[in-house]
Amino acid sequence: AQSVTQLDSQVPVFEEAPVELRCNYSSSVSVYLFWYVQYPNQGLQLLLKYLSGSTLVESINGFEAEFNKSQTSFHLRKPSVHISDTAEYFCAVIPTGANNLFFGTGTRLTVIP
Amino acid sequence: DAGVIQSPRHEVTEMGQEVTLRCKPISGHDYLFWYRQTMMRGLELLIYFNNNVPIDDSGMPEDRFSAKMPNASFSTLKIQPSEPRDSAVYFCASSLVKFGHLNTEAFFGQGTRLTVV
Repeated sequence: AQSVTQLDSQVPVFEEAPVELRCNYSSSVSVYLFWYVQYPNQGLQLLLKYLSGSTLVESINGFEAEFNKSQTSFHLRKPSVHISDTAEYFCAVIPTGANNLFFGTGTRLTVIP
Repeated sequence: DAGVIQSPRHEVTEMGQEVTLRCKPISGHDYLFWYRQTMMRGLELLIYFNNNVPIDDSGMPEDRFSAKMPNASFSTLKIQPSEPRDSAVYFCASSLVKFGHLNTEAFFGQGTRLTVV
């Protein structure tokens, strides 16, 4: 069985401050890891993913996430947030051999001017 | 491509009525997924298709739910009869390749917000 835990349901942060959204997972097999972002009234968009190779992955809009196998974590970070980053962020995993994205419960990031 | 297109965006219906949600995947994508998003349970996979064939429907909550994919460009999710606890946002997603492939990525529609009163 697998599960994805996002401990922080809401994260308020001031504009231009750094942010970290936490994601931990548990799985009996190796996994692929994803972060999705959902802007208000929109569907989910892929932000970044880790399938193999370098454990640090980056998105085009300044987010990065690092896969830490020993801590079973895939935390999302950004050194300086913008108002436009206000959204809900979902961590998700695909266990190898499966064909299902298992999502965490999401973290609502609110950037305060 | 316009992306995954879902209709309607919003649906309000009375308990007991039949509800049909529609999805047009991205052209050329072989995989189609239906997800449900609720506050209590988050995002759950209901069913997915590969080349129009249902592969795994173990997430479909009850017999009241059914899904079809008559062709590569159209899928429906039907609830009959609907109940208030079915109120949720239903997302359709499509993927070019099977999850786990190096190029794996699921593209989501904007969702249908269903309210059953």
